[in-house]
Amino acid sequence: QQQVKQSPQSLIVQKGGISIINCAYENTAFDYFPWYQQFPGKGPALLIAIRPDVSEKKEGRFTISFNKSAKQFSLHIMDSQPGDSATYFCAASKRGFQKLVFGTGTRLLVSP
Amino acid sequence: DTEVTQTPKHLVMGMTNKKSLKCEQHMGHRAMYWYKQKAKKPPELMFVYSYEKLSINESVPSRFSPECPNSSLLNLHLHALQPEDSALYLCASSQDGLKETQYFGPGTRLLVL
Repeated sequence: QQQVKQSPQSLIVQKGGISIINCAYENTAFDYFPWYQQFPGKGPALLIAIRPDVSEKKEGRFTISFNKSAKQFSLHIMDSQPGDSATYFCAASKRGFQKLVFGTGTRLLVSP
Repeated sequence: DTEVTQTPKHLVMGMTNKKSLKCEQHMGHRAMYWYKQKAKKPPELMFVYSYEKLSINESVPSRFSPECPNSSLLNLHLHALQPEDSALYLCASSQDGLKETQYFGPGTRLLVL
């Protein structure tokens, strides 16, 4: 019940296209859903995060869509750029839990 | 400033060596974390310190020994490691144990020969 399932495992998108990564969770107690971006040899960097009281959050070209009833959330990267090529991890947590439950990761490649 | 620093960037050690990894943050955060990350996998939680006390140990082998000397520093002491312990070791911090947002450092790439 603590799992977060992430898909696809890898994704190739053309420059200027939309990248979409999906995550699903089971534990309805989770109330915090961040996305991390990780470049090779670097630590994960917090990209954007959402709580279940909103269905969408947008920061620049990055948007999280959240569907509480389906227990799913997704990351949309608009106008994808080669510099967005990285591994993306979704995660879930809850207040006081002290743990982030990570998805398995998606390797995104944006072709020029 | 959401910076967590880690030293060294790279470390090569033999199975009989003793070494330490260091993590530092100056954001006033009171919770600090150690993660281990293998290639193409998500980070795996190892330890959590909250207000300088160990609050979570994810059944990590005793050859890994964490230490939190003060609220800004976190160490990971390594002894008698195995080749399978080779990985990227990540430190993270959050405002406190109740706040979920974790900020990661750049990691230490460890190779055990």
